[in-house]
Amino acid sequence: DVKVTQSSRYLVKRTGEKVFLECVQDMDHENMFWYRQDPGLGLRLIYFSYDVKMKEKGDIPEGYSVSREKKERFSLILESASTNQTSMYLCASSPSGSDEKLFFGSGTQLSVL
Amino acid sequence: EDQVTQSPEALRLQEGESSSLNCSYTVSGLRGLFWYRQDPGKGPEFLFTLYSAGEEKEKERLKATLTKKESFLHITAPKPEDSATYLCAVIKAAGNKLTFGGGTRVLVKP
Repeated sequence: DVKVTQSSRYLVKRTGEKVFLECVQDMDHENMFWYRQDPGLGLRLIYFSYDVKMKEKGDIPEGYSVSREKKERFSLILESASTNQTSMYLCASSPSGSDEKLFFGSGTQLSVL
Repeated sequence: EDQVTQSPEALRLQEGESSSLNCSYTVSGLRGLFWYRQDPGKGPEFLFTLYSAGEEKEKERLKATLTKKESFLHITAPKPEDSATYLCAVIKAAGNKLTFGGGTRVLVKP
């Protein structure tokens, strides 16, 4: 089975802190994605990557950056956390040519105080 | 702008009471429509992909259908374990990313 592992289930940070959310997949997928999920707004795409060291902006990239140094790992970085970044963050992966069928991690609930 | 709207937002059913969830979309050149299931505290899990109007897919008590403007997810004789949030998403022919709807929370009571 495909496994997408997110490093933390719950995270509490203070405004202004730099936050790293880590995601690792074990199925050699080329594509990786970061979404945030908010009540009433559904899933919104932050960033995605189709290859190592490659990244593309999604629909809401402001305030975020990403890093993909290895194929299996995709990190989301909040350079200076703000309260409006309190959300559920979901990482997903998919094989090349199949970006529709995504495999999701269990999510990280981030609270910024 | 691409839009995906799911209704109702929430649905309470008695065990065995069949019902349907709606996903309406506006997108130029649909390439595919996808249904996911999300349990509390977990990430979404893929259910179906539909590519063309008239197509149907089935899995256990779930059946997904597609028209040119909307998709339905029919739940036949649901059981409590069908309780979850069901998400719909679309991808357009010229695009490379999914656009999700807000989801429908389904609660099936025994």
